[in-house]
Amino acid sequence: NAGVMQNPRHLVRRRGQEARLRCSPMKGHSHVYWYRQLPEEGLKFMVYLQKENIIDESGMPKERFSAEFPKEGPSILRIQQVVRGDSAAYFCASSPGKESSGNTIYFGEGSWLTVV
Amino acid sequence: GNSVTQMEGPVTLSEEAFLTINCTYTATGYPSLFWYVQYPGEGLQLLLKATKADDKGSNKGFEATYRKETTSFHLEKGSVQVSDSAVYFCALGWGMLTFGGGTRLMVKP
Repeated sequence: NAGVMQNPRHLVRRRGQEARLRCSPMKGHSHVYWYRQLPEEGLKFMVYLQKENIIDESGMPKERFSAEFPKEGPSILRIQQVVRGDSAAYFCASSPGKESSGNTIYFGEGSWLTVV
Repeated sequence: GNSVTQMEGPVTLSEEAFLTINCTYTATGYPSLFWYVQYPGEGLQLLLKATKADDKGSNKGFEATYRKETTSFHLEKGSVQVSDSAVYFCALGWGMLTFGGGTRLMVKP
């Protein structure tokens, strides 16, 4: 059973360009979470999605950032008009169902975005 | 809201030394608690978890006990190895996790 797959692993963008990060959850998982890790900091929750629904986006910046998890295909985190401060590692995680004591979430290996 | 506080690093130890990384939390209700480990340039790996008070999570010689009375989840290992050098994150919740700032551990031969 393949783990959470993220791509690209490393992405370099110039200021003002768009960045698209993809996440394929583990097989059988219908819940996806995105986190951001700024250099030398811990992870901060960004958004929680189920298929075709955004459940909680309380951690998403209000502008330039968007996320989707379509019926078919991977979840996408999109950052428009990137700025240097967007440089970070973006981690995706997935879980099989609703938050409950029996469900563990699993993290992907991350996508490192560098804005030059 | 929820928050997690970890001891600041780096923590530098000699091989075979005893390790403690402190973690305390504030939370509404009784969330699950986790320790994750991140090796350089890699993602997070779940190290251990505890889902209710007094539970002890353990894995690879590491252990932590969910202490409701002290709102703590300290990570311990009796004898560290060089290969344990990594950043350790304490976290709480489910899915929408709240993370501590991480503690870098460096183990010298």
